[in-house]
Amino acid sequence: DAGVIQSPRHEVTEMGQEVTLRCKPISGHNSLFWYRQTMMRGLELLIYFNNNVPIDDSGMPEDRFSAKMPNASFSTLKIQPSEPRDSAVYFCASSLGDWDTIYFGEGSWLTVV
Amino acid sequence: GIQVEQSPPDLILQEGANSTLRCNFSDSVNNLQWFHQNPWGQLINLFYIPSGTKQNGRLSATTVATERYSLLYISSSQTTDSGVYFCAVERRGTYKYIFGTGTRLKVLA
Repeated sequence: DAGVIQSPRHEVTEMGQEVTLRCKPISGHNSLFWYRQTMMRGLELLIYFNNNVPIDDSGMPEDRFSAKMPNASFSTLKIQPSEPRDSAVYFCASSLGDWDTIYFGEGSWLTVV
Repeated sequence: GIQVEQSPPDLILQEGANSTLRCNFSDSVNNLQWFHQNPWGQLINLFYIPSGTKQNGRLSATTVATERYSLLYISSSQTTDSGVYFCAVERRGTYKYIFGTGTRLKVLA
């Protein structure tokens, strides 16, 4: 199995630009998570999808952040406009069901200057 | 919300030593997982362990849900064990895994 695939692996962008992060979950998994990791706040859950439906987006920091899952094999996390404080590693993860092992992608390292 | 505390925050071991990492949580949980984040940032699942004991090679984990803690044992540590160990708990009915602050482990050759 290819695992959870994220792109881009690294992105450097200027403040105010739109950023789109992409994720392909493991085939057959019906739960998808977006996490953000920073030194100050650790690993935070941003949003959780089940069967392509957003179940809990209470962790999305503000309206500048949005996430979609148009089908079972693809999800995006968009930041518009980006700010320097959005600099972090963004992880996508998937699991077979609500109560199963979570598998993480390698992360997208975002730097906003 | 639920609090997840891990101890110790930092640990330095000589290769071959054993160690125990602890995860305490403040509320009843449905599920608990242990992860290892290697020095390259990859997060690898070690155990899915809502209760009981599991072993995988040199690693084993025990969760006592009624007493709200879990332990991760590393035996005969190797330099490749270095990194940060996280526990993550899912509070009953929320489907949200909350991560602890991690234990940073460094194994010296």
